[in-house]
Amino acid sequence: DQQVKQNSPSLSVQEGRISILNCDYTNSMFDYFLWYKKYPAEGPTFLISISSIKDKNEDGRFTVFLNKSAKHLSLHIVPSQPGDSAVYFCAASARGNYQLIWGAGTKLIIKP
Amino acid sequence: DTGVSQNPRHKITKRGQNVTFRCDPISEHNRLYWYRQTLGQGPEFLTYFQNEAQLEKSRLLSDRFSAERPKGSFSTLEIQRTEQGDSAMYLCASSFLAGTGFYYGYTFGSGTRLTVV
Repeated sequence: DQQVKQNSPSLSVQEGRISILNCDYTNSMFDYFLWYKKYPAEGPTFLISISSIKDKNEDGRFTVFLNKSAKHLSLHIVPSQPGDSAVYFCAASARGNYQLIWGAGTKLIIKP
Repeated sequence: DTGVSQNPRHKITKRGQNVTFRCDPISEHNRLYWYRQTLGQGPEFLTYFQNEAQLEKSRLLSDRFSAERPKGSFSTLEIQRTEQGDSAMYLCASSFLAGTGFYYGYTFGSGTRLTVV
């Protein structure tokens, strides 16, 4: 049973436009969510996180929105840049837990 | 601090051979994790350490896999009698567990890509 789902395997966006990556979760115990970016042959790199006490967190071009009632979060990248082309993973955890539960990733392609 | 370091970056081995990977975490982090990632999937948890104690092992970690973290610093992951199904990217991560129950700075290394031929 996939507790964290990223239903779009890939997404193509024009440079300069907004990229929106979505993530759904099923476990109501999750209270901390993270987005990671991964280039080929490299480990995931932390982008941004959000705790369940918030519904929005912003860091530069990256904003994460959390809708707890819908068990849904999204990552907005604006404006999208060519260097944003990568695979984006959503991950979740419960307080005090030892592991992150990961989605399968969404490959973002930024077109010039 | 240069982050989480993993060696080697790539390993090609023949089926049946043993392999060992090393992970050097961020020095002030008290937790160290091993994950495995195959193509098209997110990382899957294998095991983790709190300082030198191995506190949890996933059912994915068969008896052929063993991990150690002597002295609570670097960690090694050994796979004995490798099989083709072991081919994957092996990722190490470290974090600091605060008294609040949240952990901070969950940082990954670049991984070791294992190919079993």
